[in-house]
Amino acid sequence: RKEVEQDPGPFNVPEGATVAFNCTYSNSASQSFFWYRQDCRKEPKLLMSVYSSGNEDGRFTAQLNRASQYISLLIRDSKLSDSATYLCVLTGFQKLVFGTGTRLLVSP
Amino acid sequence: NAGVTQTPKFRILKIGQSMTLQCAQDMNHNYMYWYRQDPGMGLKLIYYSVGAGITDKGEVPNGYNVSRSTTEDFPLRLELAAPSQTSVYFCASNLGGTNEKLFFGSGTQLSVL
Repeated sequence: RKEVEQDPGPFNVPEGATVAFNCTYSNSASQSFFWYRQDCRKEPKLLMSVYSSGNEDGRFTAQLNRASQYISLLIRDSKLSDSATYLCVLTGFQKLVFGTGTRLLVSP
Repeated sequence: NAGVTQTPKFRILKIGQSMTLQCAQDMNHNYMYWYRQDPGMGLKLIYYSVGAGITDKGEVPNGYNVSRSTTEDFPLRLELAAPSQTSVYFCASNLGGTNEKLFFGSGTQLSVL
């Protein structure tokens, strides 16, 4: 099983839609979890950390389910500018592990 | 602050050539990293450094070398370029360790032909 797995997508949604991505991980000892956003041919940028109790930042909500070993990202009221690839990142053994990303395309 | 600065942005090498990818940060970060990203793949760690004078291998170090003579600079050296090293390279830094936000440079697109 891969350390971290994401559905590559693309997820095609209209503006204003709500969309959610999941990311599953295999290392139950992982302590820290993040969502990074990567625009085409650009560097990844931190979108938000993921806390055990779940956390929200504007239209974005992140949740962690340790029992089932997955994290999720929910985007409400999608904007055209949300089109990007969303990378799931978590701590492995003394290192960060990056998922391959889920591509989101928001259309008018 | 410029953040993390990488040069060059693009480079084409012939097989067997060598080059150095430059990376500098002005945030006084102790930790610096080099990643490569192949199409459709996650970022893979090549080398990292926890401070000046200290470097260590990541997941995919073969064919690369690094040095960290100062806190600010972390160059990545390719000695004998191979087609398998065609990739996008990202340098990153943070204050310390895996719990801290990573700041990335804008990347270097390298093609080895």
